[in-house]
Amino acid sequence: QSVLTQPPSVSAAPRQKVTISCSGRNSNIGNNSVSWYQQLPGAAPKLLIYENEKRPSGIPDRFSGSKSGTSATLGITGLQTGDEADYYCGVWDSSLIGYVFGTGTKVTAL
Amino acid sequence: QEQLVQSGSELKKPGASVRVSCKASGYTFTSYAMNWVRLAPGRGLEWMGWIETNSGSPTYAQDFRGRFVFSLDTSVATAYLQINNLQVNDSAVYYCARVNFHCMDVWGRGTTVTV
Repeated sequence: QSVLTQPPSVSAAPRQKVTISCSGRNSNIGNNSVSWYQQLPGAAPKLLIYENEKRPSGIPDRFSGSKSGTSATLGITGLQTGDEADYYCGVWDSSLIGYVFGTGTKVTAL
Repeated sequence: QEQLVQSGSELKKPGASVRVSCKASGYTFTSYAMNWVRLAPGRGLEWMGWIETNSGSPTYAQDFRGRFVFSLDTSVATAYLQINNLQVNDSAVYYCARVNFHCMDVWGRGTTVTV
């Protein structure tokens, strides 16, 4: 059972916006940087956001990240069918002394 | 470019062992630690642990202590995951992923292990 909670699924029409929440604790999100990963069907996960809000080279600015207290949020604007994937938050947990992933969220473009 | 190339799918019987390889290229192998991550059917990503590539020192997540072994061959820039005494519920896709300041920025394509 993950210590990071995400909604199982979110959906929106193409070109709309979705947000995915990631709820944790002081020992993880509260004191460490959050990353977000996108896993397209049949593919390996890909780093989408690091250090709470930064995008690696090549990631479009439709994807954004934020953090407040013990929660983090991934936003996707201008939703495309190609964004349909599973999304995971991830962060170091200082109490567990290990990395933890969120429960994962499936994004669907209706 | 920086990439991690993993070995192919494996089909094993319960009780056997399997070794998954992860060959790095395009960067200095010993400059970044290597994570191992599992994706089992119906479950999300699970962090298995990591290995420091400059020392070979492994760290295992709680659920992966005992039968799982991380190792290296720095002469060929390759990390290995060995799973001993395979069980049916070890069937999963196993990924290696480069550690970069507490995120995983380069991933292998995954190796499917079926028990």
